[in-house]
Amino acid sequence: EVQLVESGGGLVQPGGSLRLSCAVSGFTFSSLWMHWVRQAPGKGLEWVADIKQDESEIHYVDSVKGRFTISRDNAKNLLHLQMNSLRAEDTAVYYCASGRGWILDNWGQGTLVTVSS
Amino acid sequence: DIVMTQSPDSLAVSLGERATINCRSSQNILYSSNYKNYLAWFQQRPGQPPKLLIYWASTRESGVPDRFSGSGSGTDFTLTISSLQAEDVAVYYCQQYYSGPITFGQGTRLEIK
Repeated sequence: EVQLVESGGGLVQPGGSLRLSCAVSGFTFSSLWMHWVRQAPGKGLEWVADIKQDESEIHYVDSVKGRFTISRDNAKNLLHLQMNSLRAEDTAVYYCASGRGWILDNWGQGTLVTVSS
Repeated sequence: DIVMTQSPDSLAVSLGERATINCRSSQNILYSSNYKNYLAWFQQRPGQPPKLLIYWASTRESGVPDRFSGSGSGTDFTLTISSLQAEDVAVYYCQQYYSGPITFGQGTRLEIK
């Protein structure tokens, strides 16, 4: 069974940066398509970014393009999300999810990012 | 972007009764070459991450009770819970993976009447 554990969330001022990580175990990480999905407090789900197994394909939602960077370390079974120029509207629980392609079949518990002065 | 619209926004059903949630996509999400609908359903219980229930519009994920079923094609889809149990109280989301960006419906809150 795939297990995903996010870390790196916290309180950051507008314009600041954070780096989220997701540690994956229980499956061959290098065979998984990986995603970040966020959920603002009391709101619905918003897909943020994804990265193919070999990093040959990377996609972002328009609202984070140029500010967020997804990456992965297949040797360490880690997924990352570098978030720069953070805005209040980026406040959310950030989930990492593994995918059979774009079928999001396993999710972590999430890490809360709060952007506030 | 493909917009996913769910109805109703909230639903109250008695234990043991049927619950039906609808999802409509703004574009066709049936891929003609493989005749598959690129539609998934998720359940999110309070304080928990989403859980995959259904993919390809009607294929149940391993371990999901058979009271959950998905149907529909093209642009109109339905999630049905045949006999509501207390543990089914949750928010349910549809999601399309036909084309990027992946998009979700706004969610349907299911409660016990």
